[in-house]
Amino acid sequence: SQKIEQNSEALNIQEGKTATLTCNYTNYSPAYLQWYRQDPGRGPVFLLLIRENEKEKRKERLKVTFDTTLKQSLFHITASQPADSATYLCALLMDSSYKLIFGSGTRLLVRP
Amino acid sequence: NAGVTQTPKFQVLKTGQSMTLQCAQDMNHEYMSWYRQDPGMGLRLIHYSVGAGITDQGEVPNGYNVSRSTTEDFPLRLLSAAPSQTSVYFCASSRRLPSDEKLFFGSGTQLSVL
Repeated sequence: SQKIEQNSEALNIQEGKTATLTCNYTNYSPAYLQWYRQDPGRGPVFLLLIRENEKEKRKERLKVTFDTTLKQSLFHITASQPADSATYLCALLMDSSYKLIFGSGTRLLVRP
Repeated sequence: NAGVTQTPKFQVLKTGQSMTLQCAQDMNHEYMSWYRQDPGMGLRLIHYSVGAGITDQGEVPNGYNVSRSTTEDFPLRLLSAAPSQTSVYFCASSRRLPSDEKLFFGSGTQLSVL
């Protein structure tokens, strides 16, 4: 069955740098892939959705890419700020059903 | 703008007790789901519903029951709580099926089973 892999180690970067987070999946390529942000003690909040034919999607300082050959999505935050510190989760459909599954998330720490 | 409302926020149970976690949304969303989140495990799908009267199992359904009698409500029942069910539970909904629709999450219920 479909599995999602995100780097479990925290990403620690300096303010102003670009953060790049990785989401890999194992089986078939989904038509859509989503990214969420989660702060401690809160539910995840939707950030971006990218379709398989879009290759790249941008929203303000955020950029998502989707490479179906590599079975990978990259999530970039440019000009990072301490307020960007959070856990970032990717999600996609498990199979042809309506089961949206999540990766375990990568924690981002942005140092002032 | 209530969105997705979960109650209670915190709950402590003894092994073998039963309880219901409540979830309600006021956005007329078709799709609703329950996830549990454990350290290092990420969010795991328990059950989901694509509309009133229709439910299905997710990745980790054992020990949990759900029903969807109305569009607004999607309660999660623990029939006989076990320590392995200690977790944070999130309810989520989307306007339509979740493939190209974003999920809206509740604020979570922290459950401890002793």
